Amino acid sequence: QKEVEQNSGPLSVPEGAIASLNCTYSDRGSQSFFWYRQYSGKSPELIMFIYSNGDKEDGRFTAQLNKASQYVSLLIRDSQPSDSATYLCAAGGAAGNKLTFGGGTRVLVKP
Amino acid sequence: DGGITQSPKYLFRKEGQNVTLSCEQNLNHDAMYWYRQDPGQGLRLIYYSQIVNDFQKGDIAEGYSVSREKKESFPLTVTSAQKNPTAFYLCASSARDSLYEQYFGPGTRLTVT
Repeated sequence: QKEVEQNSGPLSVPEGAIASLNCTYSDRGSQSFFWYRQYSGKSPELIMFIYSNGDKEDGRFTAQLNKASQYVSLLIRDSQPSDSATYLCAAGGAAGNKLTFGGGTRVLVKP
Repeated sequence: DGGITQSPKYLFRKEGQNVTLSCEQNLNHDAMYWYRQDPGQGLRLIYYSQIVNDFQKGDIAEGYSVSREKKESFPLTVTSAQKNPTAFYLCASSARDSLYEQYFGPGTRLTVT
């Protein structure tokens, strides 16, 4: 069983709409959570991190964490075609001192 | 410019040959990592190092070796024992006080035929 789960998509979103990405994790020892954006053929780029329950906003991105439900989400407001990419969720702080990545959700923003 | 560099960007090798992938960082980060990514999949940890002259196996270390002789450098050798070496290899680094906040280099795409 994968420790960090994401829907592989693709998640198709009209330009200007909100894209909502979800991620669940199995290890309750996880303390820190990260969202990476990866364009096709490129390396992952860190776009958000969240450590505490609740929401964290940065520009058009909002990360949400609910530790009781073991659930992390990423909202992308006013989606642009340049947001079309794969978004990787990662959890850290559990046993082993390492980040565990989900398989990624592919997002397609259509003009 | 501060950052992580990986070379080469593309690498082709014949089966049975060892190959070494380079990773250098000038971020003054203590920790460095090697991941492997296969098409349509997430990242899997190969090796990591939190201090010079010390490193630990990740989830898929078999067929790989590393060294950490300098803080800035963490080369990965893909040996002939690795059964499926063709993949996208990513190096990352992080600061000591935020180990999980990892930043990635541009990657090396290795093809073995």
